[in-house]
Amino acid sequence: NAGVTQTPKFQVLKTGQSMTLQCAQDMNHNSMYWYRQDPGMGLRLIYYSASEGTTDKGEVPNGYNVSRLNKREFSLRLESAAPSQTSVYFCASSEVGTDQYIQYFGAGTRLSVL
Amino acid sequence: QKEVEQNSGPLSVPEGAIASLNCTYSDRVSQSFFWYRQYSGKSPELIMSIYSNGDKEDGRFTAQLNKASQYVSLLIRDSQPSDSATYLCAVSGGYQKVTFGTGTKLQVIP
Repeated sequence: NAGVTQTPKFQVLKTGQSMTLQCAQDMNHNSMYWYRQDPGMGLRLIYYSASEGTTDKGEVPNGYNVSRLNKREFSLRLESAAPSQTSVYFCASSEVGTDQYIQYFGAGTRLSVL
Repeated sequence: QKEVEQNSGPLSVPEGAIASLNCTYSDRVSQSFFWYRQYSGKSPELIMSIYSNGDKEDGRFTAQLNKASQYVSLLIRDSQPSDSATYLCAVSGGYQKVTFGTGTKLQVIP
């Protein structure tokens, strides 16, 4: 049982390059999330998907796109990377029910944009 | 005004002491409250969840919730050096989204 798996763990991009961060969960959760974490800013929500087939913007969606490929997978795409997108990115999943909205996090992707 | 506010710290306590971490939130309809621990370079992991007013205890950890005052706290008894980490307060209003505070860094001094 791997929980939430993110790939890659590290990435260096040049300004203007594109890339996709992958996330998969094996807990059969309906909801999935992408956050970025910057020093002093805490975790900020980029996009979330309450269920398969739906996605919604979070606090800082500009410069990102997402795809909820199926119930397990939720990807985050940077179309034209900018230095301001240098950050640590976390994917998370959660379920409504007994443990309402408890977030289970992946190990993170450390992204540097030069 | 930030939705979830925490003192960034660092909060330094001696080993064996009680560490008290505090958090306030602005959305009165918030329903679910969480404390996560995050070690440097690692991802957040859940320590406690609390959904109703009062205290909830789990081992050395006690979460306290006061909805009238919009205040949630985490007490760590018999603090250990391994408790040194950043503690994130998180709040959900029941719409699938969770808002995180910026975290309080705790240092337990041996």
